[in-house]
Amino acid sequence: SQQGEEDPQALSIQEGENATMNCSYKTSINNLQWYRQNSGRGLVHLILIRSNEREKHSGRLRVTLDTSKKSSSLLITASRAADTASYFCATDLIQGAQKLVFGQGTRLTINP
Amino acid sequence: DAGVIQSPRHEVTEMGQEVTLRCKPISGHDYLFWYRQTMMRGLELLIYFNNNVPIDDSGMPEDRFSAKMPNASFSTLKIQPSEPRDSAVYFCASSPSGSRGEQFFGPGTRLTVL
Repeated sequence: SQQGEEDPQALSIQEGENATMNCSYKTSINNLQWYRQNSGRGLVHLILIRSNEREKHSGRLRVTLDTSKKSSSLLITASRAADTASYFCATDLIQGAQKLVFGQGTRLTINP
Repeated sequence: DAGVIQSPRHEVTEMGQEVTLRCKPISGHDYLFWYRQTMMRGLELLIYFNNNVPIDDSGMPEDRFSAKMPNASFSTLKIQPSEPRDSAVYFCASSPSGSRGEQFFGPGTRLTVL
């Protein structure tokens, strides 16, 4: 069963705008990760946020985590055409188990 | 570092045939994962290994699927016999122990069963 669910399923914006994607999950977690997948490629790790963290930044990426609501958001600022991809959140269920459960993903399209 | 290597990149076969997918993890990574991705079901974990030992195979769909890791640098996922519903992209990923779970994915094998 899917642990994480992304929202929206698809998002289309103009280059330069900010893109926000959300992820909800069902059970307690230790960490939450975001991955990007370009068409026809494997997933690439973007950022990890621990359950005791509320916000994390990496370049143009900003991730928030609200454990009380069991939700996370990924914000991409000043989007570029190269950001066009699918974005997945992934959660671990058991500390140290290394096993991740991925959501269905958000398909992001950046229009030039 | 060459990253995770998978072969073949594309495989087209007929129903009933045996299919073998191969993976070489990143050197030094202790964990290896096999995933299947379809439009309908998304990304599903099939099985994962730690130090060449299968830890969790609860995601393997049925007995037609089997996976092995004979050594730290090689793993196979075998489907015998293959069926059209096995058509999907199969990913291999690896992860080092002591990390917080970041996984490194290979480029995937696109399998089409006719």
